[in-house]
Amino acid sequence: SQQGEEDPQALSIQEGENATMNCSYKTSINNLQWYRQNSGRGLVHLILIRSNEREKHSGRLRVTLDTSKKSSSLLITASRAADTASYFCATGLGSGNTPLVFGKGTRLSVIA
Amino acid sequence: EAGVAQSPRYKIIEKRQSVAFWCNPISGHATLYWYQQILGQGPKLLIQFQNNGVVDDSQLPKDRFSAERLKGVDSTLKIQPAKLEDSAVYLCASSPRRAGGNQETQYFGPGTRLLVL
Repeated sequence: SQQGEEDPQALSIQEGENATMNCSYKTSINNLQWYRQNSGRGLVHLILIRSNEREKHSGRLRVTLDTSKKSSSLLITASRAADTASYFCATGLGSGNTPLVFGKGTRLSVIA
Repeated sequence: EAGVAQSPRYKIIEKRQSVAFWCNPISGHATLYWYQQILGQGPKLLIQFQNNGVVDDSQLPKDRFSAERLKGVDSTLKIQPAKLEDSAVYLCASSPRRAGGNQETQYFGPGTRLLVL
């Protein structure tokens, strides 16, 4: 069953704008991760945030986690056409090498 | 370091035929996962290996799917016989087991796109 649900399902913005994607999940987690998938390709790990963390940055990415609301958001600042992809949140229910439970993803289109 | 390798990249078969996918994880990665990704959805775990042992295969349809990981390195996933609903992308991922670093990060291969007619 799907653990995470991303919102919106699809997002279209102009180059240079910021993109915000949200993820809600159902059960307690150890960590939450965001992955990017370009059309026809595998998934690329973007960022991991642990349950005891509230915010994390990596380059143009900013991730927040609110465990009380069981939600996370991914912000991409100053978007580029190359950011066009599907973005998935995935929850790790335990520490170490445990399977990830993915949401259905948000399709982001950045128009040049 | 080289990434996760998968082959073939594409496969078209008819229902009731059999098919096999191959995965070579990143060198030294002890954990290997197979995921199924149906169009428009996120990946769903099929099976997890730790070295050459199965850790979790609770979501693997064992009446038609099988997987093995010989010598704790390469892995094969087989479907026999295939059904129309098996059309999907099959993703292999691996993660390290070593002190330090994020053991939780998974590194994905490019996937095998399967179409069952």
